[in-house]
Amino acid sequence: DTEVTQTPKHLVMGMTNKKSLKCEQHMGHRAMYWYKQKAKKPPELMFVYSYEKLSINESVPSRFSPECPNSSLLNLHLHALQPEDSALYLCASSQEYSNSNEKLFFGSGTQLSVL
Amino acid sequence: GEDVEQSLFLSVREGDSSVINCTYTDSSSTYLYWYKQEPGAGLQLLTYIFSNMDMKQDQRLTVLLNKKDKHLSLRIADTQTGDSAIYFCAEFVTGGFKTIFGAGTRLFVKA
Repeated sequence: DTEVTQTPKHLVMGMTNKKSLKCEQHMGHRAMYWYKQKAKKPPELMFVYSYEKLSINESVPSRFSPECPNSSLLNLHLHALQPEDSALYLCASSQEYSNSNEKLFFGSGTQLSVL
Repeated sequence: GEDVEQSLFLSVREGDSSVINCTYTDSSSTYLYWYKQEPGAGLQLLTYIFSNMDMKQDQRLTVLLNKKDKHLSLRIADTQTGDSAIYFCAEFVTGGFKTIFGAGTRLFVKA
């Protein structure tokens, strides 16, 4: 199994809603990532988890709250989002989070629209 | 600083070769990557090259690295309509512990 699975594929939410994005991988990877991608732009790193511990938070607003319940699962909890948060949210994993080679395996993403 | 630059568009005819170019700025990068993104999908790692190599070939893909000029290229031989996608060049920045992506080159393949 070389897949990273993300649910839901599409999500529409209001600015007062609370929702969660989910990501799962069964490749035995120990690093998992959240990226945000706006249309016609490259992915921007949001968070990195290594061995289920938060290693990087790229100054992401607190309305985005990541959670790594175990080595296979990664969640992103959303609360009080703004319309400018509308984007494709990509989950990725890699074998290790190290200071050398970072081969990333991406999910298909959740297309989020905030109304 | 960390920056990866690519041209935004490339159009080729089916059967021709495509060459996508990229320049990067971080001389300490250990690995450089090419990712492919099709519409509505995530990124797929196509190939990567270690910084002490000049060239890597993988079936229809050839990666060339000029470390002196910090220039990376991806050549796709016998380009097919299924190769139409956005191609991202990326470098792993050892000091920053993260991958930096270029803006992406949108490849159009005309039948």
